[in-house]
Amino acid sequence: GIQVEQSPPDLILQEGANSTLRCNFSDSVNNLQWFHQNPWGQLINLFYIPSGTKQNGRLSATTVATERYSLLYISSSQTTDSGVYFCAGANNLFFGTGTRLTVIP
Amino acid sequence: GAVVSQHPSWVICKSGTSVKIECRSLDFQATTMFWYRQFPKQSLMLMATSNEGSKATYEQGVEKDKFLINHASLTLSTLTVTSAHPEDSSFYICSARDGQGKAFFGQGTRLTVV
Repeated sequence: GIQVEQSPPDLILQEGANSTLRCNFSDSVNNLQWFHQNPWGQLINLFYIPSGTKQNGRLSATTVATERYSLLYISSSQTTDSGVYFCAGANNLFFGTGTRLTVIP
Repeated sequence: GAVVSQHPSWVICKSGTSVKIECRSLDFQATTMFWYRQFPKQSLMLMATSNEGSKATYEQGVEKDKFLINHASLTLSTLTVTSAHPEDSSFYICSARDGQGKAFFGQGTRLTVV
């Protein structure tokens, strides 16, 4: 299956800081999505972004399909942003390794 | 957004018994559903892809006879863990894909085998 690498694996931010999370794919993917997993395990859909750029409030995402990567931007981070962020893609929806974000007040 | 309901949220069973987990898409039809397993502080590992009306496609290393998947309708897929053992204890999550290619996830099922 497709390999999905995310970076960084862990990230600690001061509240109010900005961050960029990256997702690299070993092959072309479609159906690329970003998720946030909350402490109870629920996966929250953030973006469905096979290509291009989308924004939703303090979050935005960009996918460059030809170069097999996607970026998730978090601006003015809040403590409620803490959790694990995953990207996933391809027909079989393979998941990345995840980025564990901790936002401290 | 679309809603996927997974039941039960948690279950404790005795070693040697079987456990069935249901995954329903409540407000859309899902031709494809996915089953994942997640260990603590790890990513989601795809177990199988379930297509309505056909046999599930299992990922390498996942035992078909151990993890039975049935996708009987466009809104329901079930995962049955047969003859469960303590090493099967884990967090199991299902996902359903809508007609636009977006995947939505259930709440997950925490299985503990004692």
